[in-house]
Amino acid sequence: AQRVTQPEKLLSVFKGAPVELKCNYSYSGSPELFWYVQYSRQRLQLLLRHISRESIKGFTADLNKGETSFHLKKPFAQEEDSAMYYCALGYSSASKIIFGSGTRLSIRP
Amino acid sequence: KAGVTQTPRYLIKTRGQQVTLSCSPISGHRSVSWYQQTPGQGLQFLFEYFSETQRNKGNFPGRFSGRQFSNSRSEMNVSTLELGDSALYLCASSTGLAGFTDTGELFFGEGSRLTVL
Repeated sequence: AQRVTQPEKLLSVFKGAPVELKCNYSYSGSPELFWYVQYSRQRLQLLLRHISRESIKGFTADLNKGETSFHLKKPFAQEEDSAMYYCALGYSSASKIIFGSGTRLSIRP
Repeated sequence: KAGVTQTPRYLIKTRGQQVTLSCSPISGHRSVSWYQQTPGQGLQFLFEYFSETQRNKGNFPGRFSGRQFSNSRSEMNVSTLELGDSALYLCASSTGLAGFTDTGELFFGEGSRLTVL
């Protein structure tokens, strides 16, 4: 069955430290992977998608098909990065996107 | 361009009642997806509608149903409410079918918070 796993419910790091939010997926086909973010009192919104291969707000994510992972990384955390982050798996064959349980990132000053 | 609008924002019901939630997608978006968000389970997929057709459904009982109108507005209904149905229900729209990278970016509403007593 298709599944997205985010093993950490909470990740707390100091400002300026590197950040890595883990995401593993289970899907036999060709996955479409996304990271969504929800800042305090804001709507859930797309942060980045794997096919874009771009850096958004300093975040990058690389799809590793061998390890079935799509970890989100940022070299230097900023206080404004504090938010809830969701990894998501889309598969067009089923016309749906499923989400992991989310990781709350807290940046300490 | 107006964002996704969900009504009502908050509602309280008692067990056994039924509830209807409404979602107006971004103009031009043809797909609407519904999710149930709870602290313990995260976002659970309910169903997706595209051009008035349900394209996919999550693992929820038949008490959960939905529909989409010709103007792409969507409603979801929960009948015979149970305490466990208390949650934030999120609606998201996309230009095309959810799951496609180029058209499947989801734009979320603020949600309807349902409390079942």
